[in-house]
Amino acid sequence: GAVVSQHPSRVICKSGTSVKIECRSLDFQATTMFWYRQFPKQSLMLMATSNEGSKATYEQGVEKDKFLINHASLTLSTLTVTSAHPEDSSFYICSASRGLAGLLQETQYFGPGTRLLVL
Amino acid sequence: KNEVEQSPQNLTAQEGEFITINCSYSVGISALHWLQQHPGGGIVSLFMLSSGKKKHGRLIATINIQEKHSSLHITASHPRDSAVYICAVRPDSNYQLIWGAGTKLIIKP
Repeated sequence: GAVVSQHPSRVICKSGTSVKIECRSLDFQATTMFWYRQFPKQSLMLMATSNEGSKATYEQGVEKDKFLINHASLTLSTLTVTSAHPEDSSFYICSASRGLAGLLQETQYFGPGTRLLVL
Repeated sequence: KNEVEQSPQNLTAQEGEFITINCSYSVGISALHWLQQHPGGGIVSLFMLSSGKKKHGRLIATINIQEKHSSLHITASHPRDSAVYICAVRPDSNYQLIWGAGTKLIIKP
């Protein structure tokens, strides 16, 4: 149990277009979802945390108007990269947990990631 | 100094060898994760530990809370174990994970 999927696994787009990445919890209800970004040869970096039905909390330095996060249901969160540019090319990973972000013992289940290449 | 340090950064070994990857951290934690990232980027969660030891197949993870140290062991290593292994900790005071830089493991046939 506790499987998290992401779609698409890989996307190539032109500069200026918007790209939507979906994160789904397949067999559990995810109260909290996290979005991470990983640049080549670097560690993962938390971008934002979202609780179902409320606005996402963005980390410092992450533009919320550029990276739109919607967590409209307990099984789906989406990350939309608006007006993507080549510097947005990265590996985007989501994770999900059953409980609220403040519950420290909650396990995070990780999606497989989405590789975005902006030409 | 990073709050989560992994060693070694890179490790190349022959098939069949016993592998140990270490993770040291400097903050109080409520949990520690070990994850595996394959060359294509996909991430698999291996273990979440808060104490003691866990085993899954050929993988063993241990944690010593007092020493702020965890190890990931692979027995009878195989080329398909080649990947980046990442340690991440959840501090006592925060739900956000602090990530190690990863250990790149290559197992040669």
